[in-house]
Amino acid sequence: GAVVSQHPSWVICKSGTSVKIECRSLDFQATTMFWYRQFPKQSLMLMATSNEGSKATYEQGVEKDKFLINHASLTLSTLTVTSAHPEDSSFYICSARDLSTGTNEQFFGPGTRLTVL
Amino acid sequence: AQTVTQSQPEMSVQEAETVTLSCTYDTSESDYYLFWYKQPPSRQMILVIRQEAYKQQNATENRFSVNFQKAAKSFSLKISDSQLGDAAMYFCAYRVSGGYQKVTFGTGTKLQVIP
Repeated sequence: GAVVSQHPSWVICKSGTSVKIECRSLDFQATTMFWYRQFPKQSLMLMATSNEGSKATYEQGVEKDKFLINHASLTLSTLTVTSAHPEDSSFYICSARDLSTGTNEQFFGPGTRLTVL
Repeated sequence: AQTVTQSQPEMSVQEAETVTLSCTYDTSESDYYLFWYKQPPSRQMILVIRQEAYKQQNATENRFSVNFQKAAKSFSLKISDSQLGDAAMYFCAYRVSGGYQKVTFGTGTKLQVIP
């Protein structure tokens, strides 16, 4: 299947700083990528849909000014957590939709663990 | 709004035995996909099996099969000949057909495999 990578896999930052997480589709083009957040022992909650060349669509309750999403190319989307605070500590997962498959299958990255001190 | 419900937070099965994980969903759509994803301790989400709602035949993938009851909006996963590597969180998920539709996940079932 198609491969989606995330970088970094693990990051620790100080409160008040910003952190950027990259999501890349390695062997297919993804006009749409999705960003999820997963708290320990909980399910994946969709934060936003990232659209190449246009603004991201945020889910209700997600602060778009805090979680900046940029989808500058067909293979890269970035999520920037601005002015991070300890409550932003979580596991962030991206996924990309491969529209070349008949079922538009979604492939997930390995996730990024963010710890804010 | 679409919702996905997994009523079993945890399940356990003896190695080589069979276990069934339950999932129900709520939707007013007629054309959609249902999925079971596995999330091992590595946290990498792995697609286990997929079912198209318009197909009456239940999907199977080796030791994994589903019981899809469209009228009852039920989508259970059966794991046969359970192996130690099957131990993981299992998420049931739903998506309306269409390239840009989001996936809604259930709360997950933690499966323990007992040697």
